[in-house]
Amino acid sequence: QVQLQQSGPGLVKPSQTLSLTCAISGDSVSSNGAAWNWIRQSPSRGLEWLGRTYYRSRWYNDYAVSVKSRITIKPDTSKNQFSLQLNSVTPEDTALYYCAREPNYYAAFDIWGQGTMVTVSS
Amino acid sequence: EIVLTQSPGTLSLSPGERATLSCRASQSVSSSYLAWYQQKPGQTPRLLIYGVSNRATGIPDRFSGSGSGTDFTLTISRLEPEDFAMYYCQQYDNSRAFGQGTKVEI
Repeated sequence: QVQLQQSGPGLVKPSQTLSLTCAISGDSVSSNGAAWNWIRQSPSRGLEWLGRTYYRSRWYNDYAVSVKSRITIKPDTSKNQFSLQLNSVTPEDTALYYCAREPNYYAAFDIWGQGTMVTVSS
Repeated sequence: EIVLTQSPGTLSLSPGERATLSCRASQSVSSSYLAWYQQKPGQTPRLLIYGVSNRATGIPDRFSGSGSGTDFTLTISRLEPEDFAMYYCQQYDNSRAFGQGTKVEI
């Protein structure tokens, strides 16, 4: 049974970096059969896909245009997890953040982390 | 980027009735890369339909998806009490994006 467990702070100051981690059990971040995504949800922006990392003989990343200049998603194969870093945050980045698996056979998000509410405030 | 617009915003129905939810794309979604999710308050989204019309594992057959090009539909044939929730469409043809959601309420 695949599970995703998120961790990271719930409060970040404006202009600082938001950092979250998603630990995978029951699957591998290095799998050729899936991509690993970050998605956020807020009342003002709804569900917003942020980006993904995946391995197909080498590592790839795709990022949403809206955050491309500020985002990094990295795999950590030693811990079987992946991380999100979002730089220069503002109150508009306040949201519920999810990690999610995207298997090739669905090409949609079938397993989600529990969610982390992140508030950007001084 | 493909923008998805869902209608109606809210659908008020009774258990046993049929629900028809619409998702319209700003440009054609090729290769059938369209999914539907259900989300209940305090829960994570749950994948219902992928590839326009394929039910995900464990999804009851009262849920069905259809459509092509720019117009897609999620149909719930007979609403059960547990089906009252938010529903989102999502495209994965050009980047990835979600619709704003339709609330199905009693």
